[in-house]
Amino acid sequence: NAGVTQTPKFRILKIGQSMTLQCTQDMNHNYMYWYRQDPGMGLKLIYYSVGAGITDKGEVPNGYNVSRSTTEDFPLRLELAAPSQTSVYFCASSYSTESYEQYFGPGTRLTVT
Amino acid sequence: DQQVKQNSPSLSVQEGRISILNCDYTNSMFDYFLWYKKYPAEGPTFLISISSIKDKNEDGRFTVFLNKSAKHLSLHIVPSQPGDSAVYFCAARVSGGSARQLTFGSGTQLTVLP
Repeated sequence: NAGVTQTPKFRILKIGQSMTLQCTQDMNHNYMYWYRQDPGMGLKLIYYSVGAGITDKGEVPNGYNVSRSTTEDFPLRLELAAPSQTSVYFCASSYSTESYEQYFGPGTRLTVT
Repeated sequence: DQQVKQNSPSLSVQEGRISILNCDYTNSMFDYFLWYKKYPAEGPTFLISISSIKDKNEDGRFTVFLNKSAKHLSLHIVPSQPGDSAVYFCAARVSGGSARQLTFGSGTQLTVLP
């Protein structure tokens, strides 16, 4: 199993550009999450999904959108990139059982200039 | 308002000694706590967890202690090894939540010196 994969690893965007961060998991997990980590800060939840077709906002959703058309994929869309979105983005997934352990991807480092 | 706080941004320990990483929380509704370990350029990986109905959980060299009255948990690593050098995040979950959402602390960089 590859676990949770994310693409791209790095990206530089100009202000106002759009992009999609890809996330795929091959563990058949129902729950998927997007976090951002700013320097010296913990991970903050952007959006999450409890299953295909179901998504909801986390702590910091402004400026982002998500979709979940399949169990495996959970892309994160930035429509109008702003410097405040410069961060490292992590995708994670977890079982739909009593386990609270989340499995993380390697992250995408995004710079908006 | 940070509900999960790791007040020490960094910690250095000699190889073979004990490493103690601390975490404080403010939300009484947290019922499950986890520690994650993160190496540079990688995602966090799960290390150990504890339910709020317990006060200690042990897994090999790693032990987590929970003091509910003080709203404090700690991670002990004994003996510390150079490969333990990483950022350690404390995380917590609110009871009754259906989406397994976690609240993370800001992390502590542990450096184990050979």
